[in-house]
Amino acid sequence: QKEVEQDPGPLSVPEGAIVSLNCTYSNSAFQYFMWYRQYSRKGPELLMYTYSSGNKEDGRFTAQVDKSSKYISLFIRDSQPSDSATYLCAMKNSSASKIIFGSGTRLSIRP
Amino acid sequence: GAVVSQHPSRVICKSGTSVKIECRSLDFQATTMFWYRQFPKQSLMLMATSNEGSKATYEQGVEKDKFLINHASLTLSTLTVTSAHPEDSSFYICSARGEGSAQQETQYFGPGTRLLVL
Repeated sequence: QKEVEQDPGPLSVPEGAIVSLNCTYSNSAFQYFMWYRQYSRKGPELLMYTYSSGNKEDGRFTAQVDKSSKYISLFIRDSQPSDSATYLCAMKNSSASKIIFGSGTRLSIRP
Repeated sequence: GAVVSQHPSRVICKSGTSVKIECRSLDFQATTMFWYRQFPKQSLMLMATSNEGSKATYEQGVEKDKFLINHASLTLSTLTVTSAHPEDSSFYICSARGEGSAQQETQYFGPGTRLLVL
């Protein structure tokens, strides 16, 4: 079993829809949670960064962490074609050096 | 803030030659840098972790003599692919982690280098 599980998609939704991206994990020691967005042929770009449980909102993006369920989510409101990309969840514990990445979900927003 | 650059963005070389890729943190000091490779439609694969002034730690299955990593300063790390072969063709991405409180627990990625070995 992988430490971080993420549905690879592809996920296709119409413009303006609310998108929900999710990851589950098995290591209860993870405390730092991130979402990265990667456009084709580009490096990943940090979107959201949260510590421990709870919600964090930034514009059209909301990140949720439920440590009791070992489940994290990224919501995108009013999705735009420019949001079409691969979204990677990532997490680490407080002492480990490496961030553990999910495999990424390919998202396509249809105009 | 937290910008990481990579150079070159794209390189084509003949089989048997060596290729050097530079990774720079532009506005913060990177205590740790990471090198990844990524094949089309696949996720990131960590190759090695390097701390400034010390030897890199390679992931299992990554040949340290093939992929030479140098982290000579807090803003620069280099990856040299020695005697490159067509199977080394891939997208190489570096990332950096800094010392500031906001940068300490996450990583910032460079734009990547596409290597094609003929």
